[in-house]
Amino acid sequence: QQQVKQSPQSLIVQKGGIPIINCAYENTAFDYFPWYQQFPGKGPALLIAIRPDVSEKKEGRFTISFNKSAKQFSLHIMDSQPGDSATYFCAASRSMNRDDKIIFGKGTRLHILP
Amino acid sequence: DTGVSQNPRHKITKRGQNVTFRCDPISEHNRLYWYRQTLGQGPEFLTYFQNEAQLEKSRLLSDRFSAERPKGSFSTLEIQRTEQGDSAMYLCASSPGQGGIRTQYFGPGTRLLVL
Repeated sequence: QQQVKQSPQSLIVQKGGIPIINCAYENTAFDYFPWYQQFPGKGPALLIAIRPDVSEKKEGRFTISFNKSAKQFSLHIMDSQPGDSATYFCAASRSMNRDDKIIFGKGTRLHILP
Repeated sequence: DTGVSQNPRHKITKRGQNVTFRCDPISEHNRLYWYRQTLGQGPEFLTYFQNEAQLEKSRLLSDRFSAERPKGSFSTLEIQRTEQGDSAMYLCASSPGQGGIRTQYFGPGTRLLVL
């Protein structure tokens, strides 16, 4: 049973466009929703994260929108650049629980055209 | 560099051989996690430690896999009698383990290829 569903699988956007990646979760016990960025051959790097008590969080060009009732959240990348081309993973965890393992989505391969 | 480090970065082995990977977490992080990532997929949880105690093991971790963190610092992950299906990226992460949100920071991974 996939606990975090992510779409689309891949995305191509022109430079300056706003790619949007969507995720949905099932377990209402999740209390922490990080996004990780991964470049080929590298480990995932934390990009931005949100708690369910807020509906939106911005850090630089990256924005998370969170809809607790729908159990959905999304990542928007403003003014996208070719350097943003990477694989993005949404994830969820029970961050302050003894069992705080991260459940990852399957990833979105993003390509920003120059 | 004070991030999570993993060695080796790449390992090629023949089916049936044993392999061991090492992870050095961020200093003073007392939680350490192992994940496995196959091509085109997100990382999947394998096991984690609070200091030297192994607290949970995923069903993905068969009897051929063993992980240790003997002094609560670095950790090793050993795979015995490797199979081709073990080919994957093995990722290590660490977190502070106490107080508030325990953000996990990942290392660069060890890519294993079993021939």
